[in-house]
Amino acid sequence: QSALTQPPSASGSPGQSVTISCTGTSSDIGGYKYVSWYQQHPGKAPKLMIYEITKRPSGVPDRFSGSRSGNTASLTVSGLQAEDEADYYCSSYAGSNNVVFGGGTKLTVL
Amino acid sequence: QVQLQESSPGLVKPSETLSLTCNVTGYSISSGYHWGWIRQPPGKGLEWIASTHYTGDTFYNPSLKNRVTILLDTSKNQLSLKLSSMTAADTAVYYCARDWGYSGHYFDYWGQGTLVTVSS
Repeated sequence: QSALTQPPSASGSPGQSVTISCTGTSSDIGGYKYVSWYQQHPGKAPKLMIYEITKRPSGVPDRFSGSRSGNTASLTVSGLQAEDEADYYCSSYAGSNNVVFGGGTKLTVL
Repeated sequence: QVQLQESSPGLVKPSETLSLTCNVTGYSISSGYHWGWIRQPPGKGLEWIASTHYTGDTFYNPSLKNRVTILLDTSKNQLSLKLSSMTAADTAVYYCARDWGYSGHYFDYWGQGTLVTVSS
């Protein structure tokens, strides 16, 4: 059982937008700004896509955006492209130098 | 360019201790950042194990703390992990990664991962 709750799947057609949610508690997502998102293609290592709720590392397309409302963080992928099909994981600092991940969401581009 | 490469035995027997190493190139681990381990059971999600800094500052996943030893060897620019009392539940792909530590515990560079199977 993962500490953060994500929907197991999400989907959208090319060009559309899709939003993936990540629900935690006031002890993790709701309590700290240290929320991040990772993209993982099959057989590959995860890639950092969003950090500090909304920031993008260099090289990550601006089609990827993050937000937070209360204890729920969200990742939005706009202008869906075929290469966006992957698993996405949220992560949050949970206090006392502990890090927790979500269970992952499989994004399918229809 | 920062690169990480894990090495492991691949197969570990139940009750034994897993030993992993991670070679870091393109960045000196004594220059800063924490360095950590994350694992992923087949078909499942990610689980952070532990992270450490060359100063000795170390963080542990509370659920694994009693079984984990994490070390940095600055002379070899390597990260290591020992996980004791292995069971089938520890079968996973193990990744090493650079950890932003107090700046947010983000993992920005990852190794390709190594599959560890626990079986007799």
